[in-house]
Amino acid sequence: RKEVEQDPGPFNVPEGATVAFNCTYSNSASQSFFWYRQDCRKEPKLLMSVYSSGNEDGRFTAQLNRASQYISLLIRDSKLSDSATYLCVVNRGGSYIPTFGRGTSLIVHP
Amino acid sequence: DADVTQTPRNRITKTGKRIMLECSQTKGHDRMYWYRQDPGLGLRLIYYSFDVKDINKGEISDGYSVSRQAQAKFSLSLESAIPNQTALYFCATSDHRTAQETQYFGPGTRLLVL
Repeated sequence: RKEVEQDPGPFNVPEGATVAFNCTYSNSASQSFFWYRQDCRKEPKLLMSVYSSGNEDGRFTAQLNRASQYISLLIRDSKLSDSATYLCVVNRGGSYIPTFGRGTSLIVHP
Repeated sequence: DADVTQTPRNRITKTGKRIMLECSQTKGHDRMYWYRQDPGLGLRLIYYSFDVKDINKGEISDGYSVSRQAQAKFSLSLESAIPNQTALYFCATSDHRTAQETQYFGPGTRLLVL
């Protein structure tokens, strides 16, 4: 089993739709979780950290489920500009070595 | 101004050549990383350094070496480039003093090995 797994997609949704991605991780000692956004052939940029109690930033909501070892990202009211690849990142417990998922591609169309 | 810079941004080289990719940061972070990204494979860690005297191999270090010349500089060398090292290379930094240790990436170097 890969350390961090994501559905590559693409998720093809209309503007205004709500879309959700999941990411599973295998190391139960993992301590830090993030969602990054990567536009085509550009550097990844932090979208949001994921906290144990869940957190929201505008149209974006992140959740952590430690029992089932997954994190999720919910995007409400999708915009064309949300089209990108979303990378799940998990820091291994104790050493803070990040492991990246392969990313989920989102395409928002008019 | 970019906080994490990489040079060159694009490079074409031939098999067997030695090349160096450079990364500099003005963020004052102690930790630096080198990744490569290939289509369908995501980001894979090559080497990382937690401070100037610390160098560690990542999951795909074979064929690569690094040098941490100063806290702000971390270079990646390909001693004898081969075509399967064609990829997009990213440098990243992080600060261990932050509670959520997020990473900040440079703009990337596109490398083509012929």
